[in-house]
Amino acid sequence: DTEVTQTPKHLVMGMTNKKSLKCEQHMGHRAMYWYKQKAKKPPELMFVYSYEKLSINESVPSRFSPECPNSSLLNLHLHALQPEDSALYLCASSQENTKSGGYTFGSGTRLTVV
Amino acid sequence: RKEVEQDPGPFNVPEGATVAFNCTYSNSASQSFFWYRQDCRKEPKLLMSVYSSGNEDGRFTAQLNRASQYISLLIRDSKLSDSATYLCVVNPRTGGFKTIFGAGTRLFVKA
Repeated sequence: DTEVTQTPKHLVMGMTNKKSLKCEQHMGHRAMYWYKQKAKKPPELMFVYSYEKLSINESVPSRFSPECPNSSLLNLHLHALQPEDSALYLCASSQENTKSGGYTFGSGTRLTVV
Repeated sequence: RKEVEQDPGPFNVPEGATVAFNCTYSNSASQSFFWYRQDCRKEPKLLMSVYSSGNEDGRFTAQLNRASQYISLLIRDSKLSDSATYLCVVNPRTGGFKTIFGAGTRLFVKA
């Protein structure tokens, strides 16, 4: 079983749509993350849920909004996206102390905004 | 200067070759270090953590030099399946937004 599950794997949406990306981790980790990755670039951190608090990268536009229903779920709500938001969206989880280990990533959602 | 810099790629090597990647970091307070592997259009996967004493996992050896602020990854006896992008990741004590991914080094192993 995949330890970090993301759905959907692919998503095409119009600029006026509202959609959600879902992420669930089955590892008992206490920290979860959303990353955005453009082609041939490293992942860029968008949000962190850790120590039961949500931290936001201030450079991320408000058309992205995270939601954490519980410690194993971290969803990403999308609204009024732009074509430049097309990218691979990766969810990850880790122990809260990342010194003891790295991230486990989900397989990602490939998003295309038309 | 970038916070984490990796060797520019791509590296093109024949099967069986030994290849080494370096990664330098600028924050001397960095606490933990990792190498990830990412296949084309796939998610990054943790390859190995990097410890001050150095560590080895089969054909892969990682080293950390805190004094010079760099980490390295050595791949021996390269396989075709090693072709991927290798990402260096540097964390401060608490991770989170200070976690930095390097831009990655692309490796092509050819028959």
